[in-house]
Amino acid sequence: DSGVTQTPKHLITATGQRVTLRCSPRSGDLSVYWYQQSLDQGLQFLIQYYNGEERAKGNILERFSAQQFPDLHSELNLSSLELGDSALYFCASSASGGVVPDTQYFGPGTRLTVL
Amino acid sequence: AQSVTQPDIHITVSEGASLELRCNYSYGATPYLFWYVQSPGQGLQLLLKYFSGDTLVQGIKGFEAEFKRSQSSFNLRKPSVHWSDAAEYFCAVVAYSGTYKYIFGTGTRLKVLA
Repeated sequence: DSGVTQTPKHLITATGQRVTLRCSPRSGDLSVYWYQQSLDQGLQFLIQYYNGEERAKGNILERFSAQQFPDLHSELNLSSLELGDSALYFCASSASGGVVPDTQYFGPGTRLTVL
Repeated sequence: AQSVTQPDIHITVSEGASLELRCNYSYGATPYLFWYVQSPGQGLQLLLKYFSGDTLVQGIKGFEAEFKRSQSSFNLRKPSVHWSDAAEYFCAVVAYSGTYKYIFGTGTRLKVLA
């Protein structure tokens, strides 16, 4: 158990809908990272937050957004969903904000299925 | 550009046999390297990491990896594979581009024959 929690574990929805994925980092970690894992794209970095502020952006679509709250949990919002958004979405946390290289600890993931 | 290559998409070994999973990286500065394992339906679990010092790194579950700067490699090894080692293995390098980011390889799926 990494100490990172994600809810829900599974999500099934329809095209055009909007969903919210939630992540709670390990106790004491200030950074949260979101990744998308699909069969054809592998593990893709989406976005990083550090202590409530956006720190880095990866291959995140404009239809997707995220935020980190004062209690450090984070939410990833996916809107106008398409079939191709079906994937595993992972959250990871680390102690630092990317100013030093450190270890990321991954949650169990949320499997999103768009029908 | 920074990248990580895992040349073997699938590897099959018999239980009890030795294992080596290959990882090559491309990064101009000092690399920080990781191996993660992902069991079916699970998240990624850290096996081991290399930041500096001894180039032979010991990890959990009996795994080790050796950093070879001259070959830009960080191969994962295990002397005797167990059936429970069947999983997908990811190599990652932490690269600096305004902030430190993980770059993952595409993974190697390990199958273990009884």
